[in-house]
Amino acid sequence: EAQVTQNPRYLITVTGKKLTVTCSQNMNHEYMSWYRQDPGLGLRQIYYSMNVEVTDKGDVPEGYKVSRKEKRNFPLILESPSPNQTSLYFCASSLYRGQPYEQYFGPGTRLTVT
Amino acid sequence: DQQVKQNSPSLSVQEGRISILNCDYTNSMFDYFLWYKKYPAEGPTFLISISSIKDKNEDGRFTVFLNKSAKHLSLHIVPSQPGDSAVYFCAASEGSRRSQGNLIFGKGTKLSVKP
Repeated sequence: EAQVTQNPRYLITVTGKKLTVTCSQNMNHEYMSWYRQDPGLGLRQIYYSMNVEVTDKGDVPEGYKVSRKEKRNFPLILESPSPNQTSLYFCASSLYRGQPYEQYFGPGTRLTVT
Repeated sequence: DQQVKQNSPSLSVQEGRISILNCDYTNSMFDYFLWYKKYPAEGPTFLISISSIKDKNEDGRFTVFLNKSAKHLSLHIVPSQPGDSAVYFCAASEGSRRSQGNLIFGKGTKLSVKP
């Protein structure tokens, strides 16, 4: 089954404790991206990657890191999480770099930072 | 400032009737528009899209209309079904940023279809 998976689905952590949210897709997609969804703000792009070893900042990259060592994986790293990073996070992927509109989203990771 | 606006946070419709979800945008460089549907505890799923060279795109019960002069698009669902109850996000992309795949999303409209 074609899908985007994220782990963990739920995470409660404390300020400053490094964490990684994994994202994996099995569709051989070139393009991958991370979004966060906050009440009243919709979905905002954090980072994106157009291919292996190619990553760039989205609209809200502060406090996050990413890496793309393999085509299928695109982990999101919070080196020192803060309460304002409490949010619902979505990973997405799409086939064509030049046409990334129809993005497939993962199920989401709900992160709480206390 | 918000470039994609969905001014109705919620909409309630009777089963079998038409649902109309609206979306306004401010950036005249946007040239591709999409609608995503999101159920609770799931990621958004792509529903339908439209390019700025068109003013209408239809897919089964779903039709998207684009009025470029008014910077307005709408999603029509006919007939509405209880399974359509979800949050609907409007999203837009501009040509200059297309390679980023940067979709600018609205805040969403929660549609409730009552049996």
